[in-house]
Amino acid sequence: QQQVKQSPQSLIVQKGGISIINCAYENTAFDYFPWYQQFPGKGPALLIAIRPDVSEKKEGRFTISFNKSAKQFSLHIMDSQPGDSATYFCAASRSNQFYFGTGTSLTVIP
Amino acid sequence: GAVVSQHPSWVICKSGTSVKIECRSLDFQATTMFWYRQFPKQSLMLMATSNEGSKATYEQGVEKDKFLINHASLTLSTLTVTSAHPEDSSFYICSASRRTLYEQYFGPGTRLTVT
Repeated sequence: QQQVKQSPQSLIVQKGGISIINCAYENTAFDYFPWYQQFPGKGPALLIAIRPDVSEKKEGRFTISFNKSAKQFSLHIMDSQPGDSATYFCAASRSNQFYFGTGTSLTVIP
Repeated sequence: GAVVSQHPSWVICKSGTSVKIECRSLDFQATTMFWYRQFPKQSLMLMATSNEGSKATYEQGVEKDKFLINHASLTLSTLTVTSAHPEDSSFYICSASRRTLYEQYFGPGTRLTVT
């Protein structure tokens, strides 16, 4: 059973637009929800993360929205730039066990 | 802070030989290290989890005699692909987790090509 479901699989956004990637999880015991950004040929890099005691976390142009009752969380990229073009993975974790989403390939067109 | 390195970044080896990949946490002590395999345009596939000083825990379907993992210190873990075959060609990524904090920090990955 897939613990974390991520959508969409791919996303194309105009420069300056808002990119939104969604994830849903099953296990209510998860207590840490990170997002990773991966460029081709590179390892994933931690972008932003949230714990379930808050509903939103913002760092620069990146915001996580967290809905505990719906067991969903999403990544919003404001003012998307071509340099944001990458694959994004969400994850859910409990006690150092991580479950990753299937990834979203984001393309920001100039 | 929280930098993880991998060496080598890419390697080409002949079928039947063994290859060792090193993963180091450069500025923190990693109580747990993870090894992943990633196929093109796919998600991360966890191969094994290792805690310093103890044997690695392998995921179902991963051959522990083929993928030898050693986590000898709080800053170093190694993955040895033994008797490599072309189907072992892949992108291998390690990550490290700090004591008491459950963030994972990934290395840059190692591209293995077996000819």
